[in-house]
Amino acid sequence: DAKTTQPPSMDCAEGRAANLPCNHSTISGNEYVYWYRQIHSQGPQYIIHGLKNNETNEMASLIITEDRKSSTLILPHATLRDTAVYYCIVRARFGANAGNMLTFGGGTRLMVKP
Amino acid sequence: GAGVSQSPRYKVAKRGQDVALRCDPISGHVSLFWYQQALGQGPEFLTYFQNEAQLDKSGLPSDRFFAERPEGSVSTLKIQRTQQEDSAVYLCASSLAGSGGASIGELFFGEGSRLTVL
Repeated sequence: DAKTTQPPSMDCAEGRAANLPCNHSTISGNEYVYWYRQIHSQGPQYIIHGLKNNETNEMASLIITEDRKSSTLILPHATLRDTAVYYCIVRARFGANAGNMLTFGGGTRLMVKP
Repeated sequence: GAGVSQSPRYKVAKRGQDVALRCDPISGHVSLFWYQQALGQGPEFLTYFQNEAQLDKSGLPSDRFFAERPEGSVSTLKIQRTQQEDSAVYLCASSLAGSGGASIGELFFGEGSRLTVL
């Protein structure tokens, strides 16, 4: 699976949008971009995933650049409960090369401040 | 609840002791994963089951680590002769789908078992 690069930490003011970047310049055509987050003392939680189109769900939006070499996770109105480590992961989802597991990097520690 | 359940949540072991960590996946989930997470690090893959078959154990750090899922549901991670470097949170995750041509699906994680080896 392709490797990802994320900033180690970010701050965001409560109520503002949090924009978390991820570089995945070696992503291949069959690999999806996944985002998970891990709140302190909990297991990772799935947020969203996408292939090439922008995606939105009740938790967040995912913007993937046209060349697919980077993406941004957007939390539109960050709350204190969004303070967590956010992991960007790329993985093949279908086919013989579909990865069995998620490979986590170091993630971005997002601190939402009042 | 209907989530992945792990026990014990906390375990303190003396160096050299054997420990067993249990994972109850979401009912009906085919895939089950074990991860190890050291303090301040991201989770690292240990092993993967599809039903009762252990399809990947490439992440197990030594032969002191053993995992099983005999009936394709509950899984146990056993660590023999624990060492201080085994201190970590052990996370279990399950997924509805299996691998090989189909989506592995989103992974649902338990809260983990925190092992401290003295």
